Amino acid sequence: DAKTTQPPSMDCAEGRAANLPCNHSTISGNEYVYWYRQIHSQGPQYIIHGLKNNETNEMASLIITEDRKSSTLILPHATLRDTAVYYCIVRPLNAGNMLTFGGGTRLMVKP
Amino acid sequence: AAGVIQSPRHLIKEKRETATLKCYPIPRHDTVYWYQQGPGQDPQFLISFYEKMQSDKGSIPDRFSAQQFSDYHSELNMSSLELGDSALYFCASSLGGGLGYTFGSGTRLTVV
Repeated sequence: DAKTTQPPSMDCAEGRAANLPCNHSTISGNEYVYWYRQIHSQGPQYIIHGLKNNETNEMASLIITEDRKSSTLILPHATLRDTAVYYCIVRPLNAGNMLTFGGGTRLMVKP
Repeated sequence: AAGVIQSPRHLIKEKRETATLKCYPIPRHDTVYWYQQGPGQDPQFLISFYEKMQSDKGSIPDRFSAQQFSDYHSELNMSSLELGDSALYFCASSLGGGLGYTFGSGTRLTVV
């Protein structure tokens, strides 16, 4: 799996957009970018995934650069409940179903 | 909407005892995953099952075993417990082995 690099921590003001970057410069053509988050001691929560096109759902937007070497998860209007560790995971679609969590970004949303 | 149900929520065991954790996936989900999260650590994949057959195996100790039953629920059996087994154990489920899992709330195991 391609290695990902995320900043260890970020702050965001409540009500503002939170933009969480992820670098995956060694990503290969068949690898998807997945985002999960984990609120303290709760089970991780799937947010969104994409291959090369930008994606949006009710939780967030995923922007993938044209060269696919980096992506940004956008929470459009962050709330205090969005405070969590956010994980960017790169994984081929059909290469087993194990997720490797590591090196996420601890997002602190402040009032 | 129905979620992944794990039981018990909390479990305290002594060293060398055994423990069984249960997981009930979302209805119609055919794939179950188990993860272990030690204090201050990221979740680590243990094992997964698809249609009652083991599909992937991660860093699961030999003292642990798991299975998925005909009703798709899964059990993680842990024997000869050690202090280092104290952790949160998460179960997740998906349909068709997709990576957009739904996780349960976890079982907190404390070994004393």
